[in-house]
Amino acid sequence: DAGVIQSPRHEVTEMGQEVTLRCKPISGHDYLFWYRQTMMRGLELLIYFNNNVPIDDSGMPEDRFSAKMPNASFSTLKIQPSEPRDSAVYFCASSFFGGNTGELFFGEGSRLTVL
Amino acid sequence: GQQVMQIPQYQHVQEGEDFTTYCNSSTTLSNIQWYKQRPGGHPVFLIQLVKSGEVKKQKRLTFQFGEAKKNSSLHITATQTTDVGTYFCAENQAGTALIFGKGTTLSVSS
Repeated sequence: DAGVIQSPRHEVTEMGQEVTLRCKPISGHDYLFWYRQTMMRGLELLIYFNNNVPIDDSGMPEDRFSAKMPNASFSTLKIQPSEPRDSAVYFCASSFFGGNTGELFFGEGSRLTVL
Repeated sequence: GQQVMQIPQYQHVQEGEDFTTYCNSSTTLSNIQWYKQRPGGHPVFLIQLVKSGEVKKQKRLTFQFGEAKKNSSLHITATQTTDVGTYFCAENQAGTALIFGKGTTLSVSS
């Protein structure tokens, strides 16, 4: 198995531009998580899905952030418009049976820099 | 909301010295997981602890879950340069996703 696949690995954009991050979870996993990592705030949970349905999006910073999971093998995290404070590493992770009993498998992350 | 506190935030040791990081929660945990993130990498699962007072070992790493299931520790014996990275504990209570502590960053000099 190729593991969780994220793209792009690196993105540099200017303030106000739209950013779309993509994730392909491990086949067969029924939970998908988006985390954001910064030095100041550590690893923050943004949103997670179970069987493609959003379960908890209380960690999404504001309306500029949105996430979708149109099918079991694909999810996107969109920021529109982007701001410099959105600069961070965004991780996608997937698991089977959720975080309650299963380990999370992380992708390699998407490093976002907003100028 | 739920939160795990990890200490210390940073630790530097000489190669061969021992290292311990602690994780504390204000609430009783159903289980706790530990992850390691190498510099520039992504978090990688190490272990899950479920039972009160549980102790598990992985070579030089010893993981412990407190009797009250409110704290946990990771102890590394005789650190090596390959142990460098950030160690996270992550908690979840039934029905929620994993919430990560801020991590302990370990540096090792040879």
